[in-house]
Amino acid sequence: GNSVTQMEGPVTLSEEAFLTINCTYTATGYPSLFWYVQYPGEGLQLLLKATKADDKGSNKGFEATYRKETTSFHLEKGSVQVSDSAVYFCALRTGGTSYGKLTFGQGTILTVHP
Amino acid sequence: NAGVTQTPKFQVLKTGQSMTLQCAQDMNHNSMYWYRQDPGMGLRLIYYSASEGTTDKGEVPNGYNVSRLNKREFSLRLESAAPSQTSVYFCASIAGFGEAFFGQGTRLTVV
Repeated sequence: GNSVTQMEGPVTLSEEAFLTINCTYTATGYPSLFWYVQYPGEGLQLLLKATKADDKGSNKGFEATYRKETTSFHLEKGSVQVSDSAVYFCALRTGGTSYGKLTFGQGTILTVHP
Repeated sequence: NAGVTQTPKFQVLKTGQSMTLQCAQDMNHNSMYWYRQDPGMGLRLIYYSASEGTTDKGEVPNGYNVSRLNKREFSLRLESAAPSQTSVYFCASIAGFGEAFFGQGTRLTVV
């Protein structure tokens, strides 16, 4: 079956540090890949996505590149801010629009200190 | 622009009581999901509905039932609540390429 593995957290950084959160996946077919972010007390919201190999998703200074050869979709940001403190989830979806299931990783807690 | 609306936001139940969590979306999506989120466990899929009139079990369906009432609404029912069902429950509506739109969550405590 499909699965997503994220680097274990929590991750603690100082403001303006470089961020990488690793994500690898196992899937049949050609999945779409996503990063979601969850701020305290809220539901998840989409951060970025990539739907085919070598696509780069980007949003709010975050980037991730769909690497089919290494089955990876690592999240990066060049300079984190305190407001980036949240839980980050990597996810994938295979199948068609009506029946592809969304599979999440276990989440990585990021804390950024001033 | 409501998106996904979940009710209630908080609930405390006694062991053995029943309740229904409501979810409605206004984005005309076919697929809707119910997840539970526990500390250190990420999101676990309880049930999902790929389209109106269909429902399927996810990873952790035991103790739950669902109803896809129409295209907009997907409810989750706990028939006899147990302390192990204390969790935060999220409903999500899924767009064509798999982008998920989440509700604000229901924080359920079973005592």
